[in-house]
Amino acid sequence: GENVEQHPSTLSVQEGDSAVIKCTYSDSASNYFPWYKQELGKRPQLIIDIRSNVGEKKDQRIAVTLNKTAKHFSLHITETQPEDSAVYFCAASVGPSKLTFGTGTRLQVTL
Amino acid sequence: DAGITQSPRHKVTETGTPVTLRCHQTENHRYMYWYRQDPGHGLRLIHYSYGVKDTDKGEVSDGYSVSRSKTEDFLLTLESATSSQTSVYFCANQLAEGYEQYFGPGTRLTVT
Repeated sequence: GENVEQHPSTLSVQEGDSAVIKCTYSDSASNYFPWYKQELGKRPQLIIDIRSNVGEKKDQRIAVTLNKTAKHFSLHITETQPEDSAVYFCAASVGPSKLTFGTGTRLQVTL
Repeated sequence: DAGITQSPRHKVTETGTPVTLRCHQTENHRYMYWYRQDPGHGLRLIHYSYGVKDTDKGEVSDGYSVSRSKTEDFLLTLESATSSQTSVYFCANQLAEGYEQYFGPGTRLTVT
């Protein structure tokens, strides 16, 4: 089955700096890669996703890049703000249904 | 939030007792999922459903069963709870392939 590795497990940045979270996947047939944000005590919520026919996708301060050859994808957050502090999960699937998640990255944005 | 709720939100039970968690949706989405979330493991898929009475196993299905007799309800049962099943359980739904998975608020289960 699919295996997703996520790094780093914790990340601390100063407000206004950029944050990058990286994931690798094992199944070359995977074609859907969502990113979820989970605030403390809350449910995971989708923040951005990308499909295998696209190399990059942006949504305001958030961007995701995909390298199918290397089987890795990354989340980029620019101009970080305190409200970006949360746990971020990457995931991968063959088709956007049965998701395999990474183990999460705890992002802390300090003032 | 795709009208998805979970009950109970918190439960403490003893080892060996049966436990049923309920996921209810108001949106009539076809796909539903049960995940467990544990520190260091992220979210792991337990079981999923592609429609009424159409379910299948995920990566950590041992010790769990599910049922979906109506589109709106997806039940997760622990036949005989063990301490290793202490976790936070999330239900999710999805309109169809190609659409976002929405998560419920979660159920914190403690097995003593």
